[in-house]
Amino acid sequence: QSALTQPASVSGSPGQSITISCTGTSNDVGSYNLVSWYQQHPGKAPKLMIYEVSKRPSGVSNRFSGSKSGNTASLTISGLQAEDEADYYCCSYAGSNTFVFGTGTKVTVL
Amino acid sequence: QVQLVQSGAEVKKPGASVKVSCKASGNTFSSYAIHWVRQAPGQRLEWMGWINAGNGNTKYSQKFQGRVTITRDTSASTAYLELSSLRSDDTAVYYCAAMIAVVEAFDMWGQGTMATVSS
Repeated sequence: QSALTQPASVSGSPGQSITISCTGTSNDVGSYNLVSWYQQHPGKAPKLMIYEVSKRPSGVSNRFSGSKSGNTASLTISGLQAEDEADYYCCSYAGSNTFVFGTGTKVTVL
Repeated sequence: QVQLVQSGAEVKKPGASVKVSCKASGNTFSSYAIHWVRQAPGQRLEWMGWINAGNGNTKYSQKFQGRVTITRDTSASTAYLELSSLRSDDTAVYYCAAMIAVVEAFDMWGQGTMATVSS
């Protein structure tokens, strides 16, 4: 499986909204509503931010939201804060009990 | 609160094997799906495979098929990842992750184990 495609970097000023895209194929993102998003700060383990395309785990800020259209999923961070500066990865179920991660996006808060 | 605690850092020579453990707290280990994800320095997350801790069934990424073995010991609430025929590009942090309270997503992660392959 090839990695899902994400932009290498996205930046925004505090208070702004940013959107990170995650493009796959009809074999993964396009076929299943099982896209998840992870936040990773340097030297730390990833943290689940969104699952099943748009659901938030308990404790995750409602500033984080997810959506999907066709083969592309998106993560939107509204009201950008300094603590949101991190790497973000999408992940999709890819059938036959396999998963595939995205290429990763570095979010910079200006 | 479930926690995943991994074994310590490893240094191996090319061609050797490495075995990393992932111990789950709590008494519902057999209900978990334990996945393994690796991250080379400065690189992306990469899914390697998973084990059904209840019945021991496994599934591996095609990339690692033939080199990776995931096992578990239910009496010790521990899952294991073994990677053989190590190369320098296997140098990475290896994470175990589990699906505890959500569907098809990893809501619990171990702290990671750094494995370095060097002659």
